This record gives sequence, structure tokens and C-alpha cells, in this order.
Amino acid sequence: DAKTTQPNSMESNEEEPVHLPCNHSTISGTDYIHWYRQLPSQGPEYVIHGLTSNVNNRMASLAIAEDRKSSTLILHRATLRDAAVYYCILRDAHGSGNTGKLIFGQGTTLQVKP
Amino acid sequence: NAGVTQTPKFQVLKTGQSMTLQCAQDMNHNSMYWYRQDPGMGLRLIYYSASEGTTDKGEVPNGYNVSRLNKREFSLRLESAAPSQTSVYFCASNGGAFRGTDTQYFGPGTRLTVL
Repeated sequence: DAKTTQPNSMESNEEEPVHLPCNHSTISGTDYIHWYRQLPSQGPEYVIHGLTSNVNNRMASLAIAEDRKSSTLILHRATLRDAAVYYCILRDAHGSGNTGKLIFGQGTTLQVKP
Repeated sequence: NAGVTQTPKFQVLKTGQSMTLQCAQDMNHNSMYWYRQDPGMGLRLIYYSASEGTTDKGEVPNGYNVSRLNKREFSLRLESAAPSQTSVYFCASNGGAFRGTDTQYFGPGTRLTVL
């Protein structure tokens, strides 16, 4: 599985936009980019995913570089509830033995200051 | 829908004791997973069940056994608990066709301490 690299931690002020980066220089053409987040003392939850085009949903936006070697999760207005660990994970659409399992790195711990 | 539920929420064991962590999902998902999360780390896969009737080892299976009881339930057993198994255990399920767009749903976790 291709590897992702994220900063260990980031800080943001409440109600300001947050850009969480992820590098995945060895991404293959069939890898989807997924983001999950884990609020304190909870299980991870799905945030967003994309393949090539930028994506928006009610939680966040995902901006994917043209060469797909990096991506950025964008929270448009951070709230205190967005303080969490954010994981960037690649999911292969066609790999052999593809069983849906996720491979987590250490993620980025986002602190939101009031 | 309750989603993915796990019992118990907390457990303290002595070294050598055994216990079973229970997980159930009500989303009619085919696949289920057990992960563990040590302090400050990401989740690591212990075992998974891609479909009812099948189970396979993940990244860190030693010291654990699993049972896919039916489509809804997937249990994790520690036969002889060790302090190294102190961790938070998460169960997850996935109903997708594994085409890269499928997503996982996680339970709230079981916090296990082995003394």
C-alpha cells in the first residue's frame, strides 16, 4: 500500500479556515484518497474521499493536486468540535486482496483555539 | 440505527485472564474488522472478516482469536491477557464492494487495561 505523510500537529483559531496537508508521492492511479477523523475518546469517522477532482461535502472540502502526489483537507470554518486527529489514507480500488482494511498512520492532531 | 456497538466500554483484567470483546452492527454490512490503538498511535488491524464465514489475520494478530458469529456479530477473544494488550479496541464494519470508494463505520471502542 502506498504511504502517506502528514504533519504531527497543527493549530487553528476558531471560525478560521484550516488546511490539513497530506503527501502521497507514491500514489498509484487507482488509489482513492480518504480522510477520517477521530474525536477525543471516540472511534474514527469518515470525512471525505476523492480520486482526481476536488470534492466537497457538508463536513469539508478535499483539494487534490494535479499530479495527485499531495492533497489538502479544508475545514472552511473551524469549530472547537473539529479538534481531532485527522488521518489521510489511500484506498486501492483494484489491488489484489482488497478487503476494505484501512492502514492508519499517526495522523495530524488539530488543536482549535477559541 | 445504532450503527456499530461494542461491549464492554471498559475492562480491567489481570495477567493471564481471558475475555471476549463483543461487536455488532445493524447496517447489514458484509465485512467487519478489529483494530487496536495504543496511546499516541494510529489504529492497527488485528483481524478482519471480509464476509460471513471467513476470518483473516491483520497486522497484529498474535494473542487474539476471532469469531464471526453471524452477519451482525464479530467477537474478539483474548485467551491469556498480557500487559502488552492494554489498549483501546475498535470494531468497524464496511458494506462496500471494496472499489476504493467504500467507507468504514467504527464503534465507540473498548478500553482494556491488563495489570
